[in-house]
Amino acid sequence: AQKITQTQPGMFVQEKEAVTLDCTYDTSDPSYGLFWYKQPSSGEMIFLIYQGSYDQQNATEGRYSLNFQKARKSANLVISASQLGDSAMYFCAMRFTGNQFYFGTGTSLTVIP
Amino acid sequence: KAGVTQTPRYLIKTRGQQVTLSCSPISGHRSVSWYQQTPGQGLQFLFEYFSETQRNKGNFPGRFSGRQFSNSRSEMNVSTLELGDSALYLCASSLAGGINSYEQYFGPGTRLTVT
Repeated sequence: AQKITQTQPGMFVQEKEAVTLDCTYDTSDPSYGLFWYKQPSSGEMIFLIYQGSYDQQNATEGRYSLNFQKARKSANLVISASQLGDSAMYFCAMRFTGNQFYFGTGTSLTVIP
Repeated sequence: KAGVTQTPRYLIKTRGQQVTLSCSPISGHRSVSWYQQTPGQGLQFLFEYFSETQRNKGNFPGRFSGRQFSNSRSEMNVSTLELGDSALYLCASSLAGGINSYEQYFGPGTRLTVT
């Protein structure tokens, strides 16, 4: 069975500092995609970054980078130079060959000025 | 390019009633997925439609159904509403879906309250 785990229900970070949000997964499927989404209080899910299971390099998108450790089955999101607007819920998700998305329980990030 | 739109944004229904939610994907996108988000269960996949066919389905009872029209717009229907159906229902669209497809864009959601 596929499973996504986010162990940090809430995180705080000082503005301009970097923060790492943890995500581990469990699957026997060799082919999958890993995603991170941001959900502000408005409710809309915003795509941040994607990593394919066969990608050799860690994905980066601006201030977002994905620390992909396949052997450890972890896909942590690193946000550099945090901004007040980064305060939101962050969800880790996986997509498998069957085309289903599985989401973690989310981490609430609060950026402190 | 316009984003994913969902109507209505808010809905209040009574237990036992039925409800239909609508989702218009980004122009050119053929895959539409639906998700239910609740504080207790988190985000759960309901189903995905591609070219008017249901391609994938999550573990929800048959009271939850959907369809997709030829213009890729999708509707989701919940019959015999229960209190536990109160949730934020999110729709997401993508060009074609698939394992390497990351261009899935979400709408603002429909917040359903069942009383």
